[in-house]
Amino acid sequence: NAGVTQTPKFQVLKTGQSMTLQCAQDMNHEYMSWYRQDPGMGLRLIHYSVGAGITDQGEVPNGYNVSRSTTEDFPLRLLSAAPSQTSVYFCASSSPRYNEKLFFGSGTQLSVL
Amino acid sequence: RKEVEQDPGPFNVPEGATVAFNCTYSNSASQSFFWYRQDCRKEPKLLMSVYSSGNEDGRFTAQLNRASQYISLLIRDSKLSDSATYLCVVNLMEYGNKLVFGAGTILRVKS
Repeated sequence: NAGVTQTPKFQVLKTGQSMTLQCAQDMNHEYMSWYRQDPGMGLRLIHYSVGAGITDQGEVPNGYNVSRSTTEDFPLRLLSAAPSQTSVYFCASSSPRYNEKLFFGSGTQLSVL
Repeated sequence: RKEVEQDPGPFNVPEGATVAFNCTYSNSASQSFFWYRQDCRKEPKLLMSVYSSGNEDGRFTAQLNRASQYISLLIRDSKLSDSATYLCVVNLMEYGNKLVFGAGTILRVKS
């Protein structure tokens, strides 16, 4: 059982470039989310989805887009990368029944130069 | 003021020691509480939920004090493998998922 699969593990971008972080889960979880983690700060919610076709903004959504066309996939798009988006990104999922138990992907270390 | 505050540490303790971490939260409407563990450069994983009556899972004991708005985690008989960052997490929603994460407390257990 793969759980939450997140790719790539590492990425370096130049300012202004765009890219998509991929996230897929095979647990049939309805809830999926994206967090970023910066030194000295807790994980901050970027966007989340409670089911296919439904997305909503979290605490720090600016500069990011998401879509949820299937239950399994929840990609995060950086529209025009900025150095302030240098961070570690985690995708997570949970079932509604145990919504506090998040299953995280292994993370993406993103550097924007 | 941060919604969830933790002492960043690091807490350096010898094997076998007992160590305790506290976490304070600012939103009195917070519904549920958790401790997650994060190993270096890895993803966070749920360690345990925190219940009003206090709860224990082996060497780990979690306590909640709603009046003072803090939660605690006690680790007894520390092992080298307990070395990690411990994240305090608060859910602001009763039905649903609005988790707020603390920045974490670093624990280093040394032989």
